Amino acid sequence: GAVVSQHPSRVICKSGTSVKIECRSLDFQATTMFWYRQFPKQSLMLMATSNEGSKATYEQGVEKDKFLINHASLTLSTLTVTSAHPEDSSFYICSARDEDLGQYFGPGTRLTVT
Amino acid sequence: GNSVTQMEGPVTLSEEAFLTINCTYTATGYPSLFWYVQYPGEGLQLLLKATKADDKGSNKGFEATYRKETTSFHLEKGSVQVSDSAVYFCALSGGFGYSGGYQKVTFGTGTKLQVIP
Repeated sequence: GAVVSQHPSRVICKSGTSVKIECRSLDFQATTMFWYRQFPKQSLMLMATSNEGSKATYEQGVEKDKFLINHASLTLSTLTVTSAHPEDSSFYICSARDEDLGQYFGPGTRLTVT
Repeated sequence: GNSVTQMEGPVTLSEEAFLTINCTYTATGYPSLFWYVQYPGEGLQLLLKATKADDKGSNKGFEATYRKETTSFHLEKGSVQVSDSAVYFCALSGGFGYSGGYQKVTFGTGTKLQVIP
């Protein structure tokens, strides 16, 4: 089946620094990629939807200047958490959608801001 | 807006026990319903789905029936195995005003299942 990877799987950074998370579709081209955030014992919350070559569409309440999304190609999307703070600590999950195959999820990235 | 409520875990069962994970939803119209599974260290995988009332989705021995009258989509398996240990997410997409194309997926909080030998 289709595989989506994320890198890194875990990252610890200091408050005020920026962190970049990569999401790749390994064996298919993704027309659309999604970024989710998951808090402990809570559901996945959609943060933004991105299409290759265009600006991401952010969900209400998500700061687009803080969570920068770049969908540079049909197989790569990046999420950059800028000026990270402890409240940004969370589990970030991406998914990639192929028109024919459906939507596939990455394994997630655990971000801890100290 | 749309919402999904599923039972809190963890659910701990012995091997070969019967499994039920409850899921109810709130949505207008006729959403599609899904169960996703997340094995340790892996991404979410679609387990099964149903797109209209009374449909039954099934896969790997798991079943769920779309019950519009009770707005439910409970997951069941007759005999669980240790390898079924994972987190299970109920989800929905679409609903009133659906006009084709991608619809945002709304997830439940997930239920962790632990199967012991």
